[in-house]
Amino acid sequence: DIVMTQSPDSLAVSLGERATINCKSSQSVLYSSSNKNYLAWYQQKPGQPPELLIYWASTRESGVPDRFSGSGSGTDFTLTISSLQAEDVAVYYCQQYYGTPPTFGQGTKVEIK
Amino acid sequence: EVQLLESGGGLVQPGGSLRLSCAASGFTFSSYAMSWVRQAPGKGLEWVSGISGSGGSTYYADSVKGRFTISRDNSKNTLYLQMSSLRAEDTAVYYCAKERGVGAPLDDAFDIWGQGTMVTVSS
Repeated sequence: DIVMTQSPDSLAVSLGERATINCKSSQSVLYSSSNKNYLAWYQQKPGQPPELLIYWASTRESGVPDRFSGSGSGTDFTLTISSLQAEDVAVYYCQQYYGTPPTFGQGTKVEIK
Repeated sequence: EVQLLESGGGLVQPGGSLRLSCAASGFTFSSYAMSWVRQAPGKGLEWVSGISGSGGSTYYADSVKGRFTISRDNSKNTLYLQMSSLRAEDTAVYYCAKERGVGAPLDDAFDIWGQGTMVTVSS
């Protein structure tokens, strides 16, 4: 199985400041024939199901604010919240869908400083 | 509106069985692969099982292989998870999730999630 490791486990950021979450896969999730990274990011607020933010590592899902962006390729990926808002307090997960089974990172909890 | 609604969770004794259902609406159900993803209390997300749009291909996590069976009824727009030989470690919220694209199963992100149904395995 592909192991996904996120860092940090938690971070506290001031309102309006940048939040950066890293995700590393144990093997490349880049499919060379399509040049696509099989990597997604989700946001989960307390008591709610996960919500898709980013797919193909950098494509924002419809309706997701543009302060959320994804980057990276191969084994190293980043989710950036450019200007943290109060409603962004949540746990964020990366997920690879390159291999079976699909696997998730352990989650990163984002709080307000 | 695209929607998934799970049901069937509850309290069950170790070794018991339970069947979860997920009713889909607002999209062409048979065109999309579907999965079950679970989340133990206070823990992260774990993919459990997936099924192709036609139902002809099924996939399982090693942790549930041989104990859980995924199926779907495209005439009823419903996804199922039959769980047997349940263990304490199966205690979790179970979410059904729709794949974003209409390609091969398990090669896309999950764009729609249900609210989840809680399964508690305890004596």
